[in-house]
Amino acid sequence: GQNIDQPTEMTATEGAIVQINCTYQTSGFNGLFWYQQHAGEAPTFLSYNVLDGLEEKGRFSSFLSRSKGYSYLLLKELQMKDSASYLCAAMDSNYQLIWGAGTKLIIKP
Amino acid sequence: GAVVSQHPSWVICKSGTSVKIECRSLDFQATTMFWYRQFPKQSLMLMATSNEGSKATYEQGVEKDKFLINHASLTLSTLTVTSAHPEDSSFYICSARDGTSGRRLTYEQYFGPGTRLTVT
Repeated sequence: GQNIDQPTEMTATEGAIVQINCTYQTSGFNGLFWYQQHAGEAPTFLSYNVLDGLEEKGRFSSFLSRSKGYSYLLLKELQMKDSASYLCAAMDSNYQLIWGAGTKLIIKP
Repeated sequence: GAVVSQHPSWVICKSGTSVKIECRSLDFQATTMFWYRQFPKQSLMLMATSNEGSKATYEQGVEKDKFLINHASLTLSTLTVTSAHPEDSSFYICSARDGTSGRRLTYEQYFGPGTRLTVT
């Protein structure tokens, strides 16, 4: 079956760095997405990886290892506004997104 | 660019009535639109995928006669919740995939702001 695993909740301190891991098992693979979702709002796109390696975009970076079925989202210089849920989603061979349950990130001052 | 709107943003209806939610792509052609449902503290659950001009493909366990989806044009899809019941109360989110060549490589989905449905 198809499955996405990510931690349910993480806590970090303002100004610090946090890494949110995601492992996936899908029928075929066409890329890995990370989305940010604030409570009561729709998800917003953060990153897309289809090749192995690290993609950096400002304070956020995303890494992919296709051989390991593994990705992580790295958030640097954490700000209070980064408190949100972070959703990992893998695209299967039918270009369908398989969603993880999301990781709730709590930022403390 | 790549803006998706949803209307209404929230709606309260009585049990047994029907509610229509609209999803529009404002500045691109959406050949494919997706409808999701999200219960509190849970992840997105895909309900159906609709391609312009054809019937929607529903996920297992989603009643097609209860959740009517119409994707009549490249910029508009509608979800009608028929005979709504309190258990249908949820956050409904649509997303659209850009059918133009510029974004085809990523197959990124652009999300609407969501519609919060409360059935009393």
